[in-house]
Amino acid sequence: AQSVSQHNHHVILSEAASLELGCNYSYGGTVNLFWYVQYPGQHLQLLLKYFSGDPLVKGIKGFEAEFIKSKFSFNLRKPSVQWSDTAEYFCAANSNYQLIWGAGTKLIIKP
Amino acid sequence: GAVVSQHPSWVICKSGTSVKIECRSLDFQATTMFWYRQFPKQSLMLMATSNEGSKATYEQGVEKDKFLINHASLTLSTLTVTSAHPEDSSFYICSAIGTKSSYEQYFGPGTRLTVT
Repeated sequence: AQSVSQHNHHVILSEAASLELGCNYSYGGTVNLFWYVQYPGQHLQLLLKYFSGDPLVKGIKGFEAEFIKSKFSFNLRKPSVQWSDTAEYFCAANSNYQLIWGAGTKLIIKP
Repeated sequence: GAVVSQHPSWVICKSGTSVKIECRSLDFQATTMFWYRQFPKQSLMLMATSNEGSKATYEQGVEKDKFLINHASLTLSTLTVTSAHPEDSSFYICSAIGTKSSYEQYFGPGTRLTVT
C-alpha cells in the first residue's frame, strides 16, 4: 500500500541550528513529492515539490529537500532555522492527483 | 495565482442543524476539488474528491448522507454538514487542482466548525 511516514512527530531546536526532517515513502512507480508547512493559525502552504529532474529541490524561505530514490526518502533541510519557522511540516506524495500525507512534524524553535 | 478561498472561516452551530461551507478557486478553473478534515495535532484526512458536474467520491468511513458535497461549477464546491453533532466539530480544508497541473493541489485557508 502507498504510504508516507515522518519519523519525528516533535522537534525542538534553538535558533540558528540546522534542521533535517525525515520523510520516507512507499510507492510503486513514478512518485511526486511535496513538503507543506502550516504556521500557527494559518493554512497549508507549499514549501517545495519534486516531480522529476534535479533531486535537490530548493523551496521558499531557505528550505530544500533531496530526493534519494534508493532510500525512498525526501528529507527537508534548512541550514539555519529562525524562530519564525515554528510550524507543522507535512510531507506528501502522489502519482496521480490524490495526495498521501505523512502524519506531520511539529517544529518548535526556541528564541 | 492559484488562490483558493473558503467561506466561512469559522462557524458555530447548534446540534441538529446543517451548515454549508464554500470552497472557491478565485483565479483558475478547478477540475477537481478535495475536502479534508483535520483533527487537532493530526494530519489531514481526505474525506472526498469531487469533479465538476459529477458525484463526489467519498473515502471509506465517510458518511455521504451526512457530508453532502456539490461541485456545481469549475470554481465552486460546497460541503454541507447535515444534522451536525458535537463530534463533527473540526477544521475542514478544501483544495483544488487546476487544468495546468493535475498533481499539485492548492489549499484553502480552512473552516473551523464548532457544534454546540
